[in-house]
Amino acid sequence: IAGITQAPTSQILAAGRRMTLRCTQDMRHNAMYWYRQDLGLGLRLIHYSNTAGTTGKGEVPDGYSVSRANTDDFPLTLASAVPSQTSVYFCASSDSEEADTQYFGPGTRLTVL
Amino acid sequence: GQNIDQPTEMTATEGAIVQINCTYQTSGFNGLFWYQQHAGEAPTFLSYNVLDGLEEKGRFSSFLSRSKGYSYLLLKELQMKDSASYLCAVRDSNYQLIWGAGTKLIIKP
Repeated sequence: IAGITQAPTSQILAAGRRMTLRCTQDMRHNAMYWYRQDLGLGLRLIHYSNTAGTTGKGEVPDGYSVSRANTDDFPLTLASAVPSQTSVYFCASSDSEEADTQYFGPGTRLTVL
Repeated sequence: GQNIDQPTEMTATEGAIVQINCTYQTSGFNGLFWYQQHAGEAPTFLSYNVLDGLEEKGRFSSFLSRSKGYSYLLLKELQMKDSASYLCAVRDSNYQLIWGAGTKLIIKP
């Protein structure tokens, strides 16, 4: 059982480029989340999806978009990357928004130059 | 605003006990979580409290006082592998997790 996978593991990106971070889960969880983690700050929610076909904005959604075409996949797109988007990005899932536990993918380390 | 406070760093000795505190001010409360995160890895779930009191799980225990907006994570019989960051998170009225910045725990032999 893989759980949650993310790709790529790391990426260096020129400012202004478009980038999609991939996230796939095989637990048939309904809810999925994208967080960014920066040194000295807590995890911050970017976007979430409570079920396939629906998405919502988190605390820091500007500059990011998501889609949820099916249960398993939840890609995060940076339309035009900026250096302030340099961060570690974690995808997570839970059985429902009310469920106890969120399970995290291994993360993507993104550097925007 | 919403706020989760926990110490930035703590140091403890192998075999000892350490208590990591977390205080919170959030819009609503639907449970408090503790996660462990080793350097360069993903957070992993440790414990969940929604009612006041102590939840024990092996060497780890977590306590909650909703009236005080306070929780602690207690780690007993510390092992070197417990060196990690410990993240406190509160689920608010919108069922979103609000995260603290984490406490880096350093274990010395």
